[in-house]
Amino acid sequence: ILNVEQSPQSLHVQEGDSTNFTCSFPSSNFYALHWYRWETAKSPEALFVMTLNGDEKKKGRISATLNTKEGYSYLYIKGSQPEDSATYLCASGFQKLVFGTGTRLLVSP
Amino acid sequence: GAVVSQHPSRVICKSGTSVKIECRSLDFQATTMFWYRQFPKQSLMLMATSNEGSKATYEQGVEKDKFLINHASLTLSTLTVTSAHPEDSSFYICSARPPGGNQETQYFGPGTRLLVL
Repeated sequence: ILNVEQSPQSLHVQEGDSTNFTCSFPSSNFYALHWYRWETAKSPEALFVMTLNGDEKKKGRISATLNTKEGYSYLYIKGSQPEDSATYLCASGFQKLVFGTGTRLLVSP
Repeated sequence: GAVVSQHPSRVICKSGTSVKIECRSLDFQATTMFWYRQFPKQSLMLMATSNEGSKATYEQGVEKDKFLINHASLTLSTLTVTSAHPEDSSFYICSARPPGGNQETQYFGPGTRLLVL
């Protein structure tokens, strides 16, 4: 993998559904993996920064895991709410972040 | 948390004019700020790294004479798009990294949408 890739590109779920997204990144020269939540017309909000293989972080109903050996990270949202609707970005790197194109999540009431 | 502002949020200009975008860290000092841009359906791409008191470092393919960066204080970096052309129309967004603590996290402004007619 040469670039940071995210899937799916978009996702539409019902309120209460749990969902997850994937971020794939180059495993060589890895430093850190970042997850951001980006609502329209607002600043991207930093969710997690993960550096260690096997790391798992949680913030409320959102959690993320990291596998640096195979180059992927999963973001999970438990019991999705309409306010979770946003684009979720992942990025690899330290100062120079390389971003994926994001997963656009829409949660319907 | 760390807050970064950006101004203006949206600008429309005529081809050939210059446009200045400001990026401010409101509650922390940032020795380093970053400028990204995003074209439709593409990812955020790093343009340059802005260093307080010294010259910016530009990524490959980004013209330093066209995208002038000034980081004159620890809370302000400016990006000037000189002699803008329609192909410069894009979404420009800055970020800043607080010193100390969790140094990996970059905090972003809300971005500036530039349309060059």
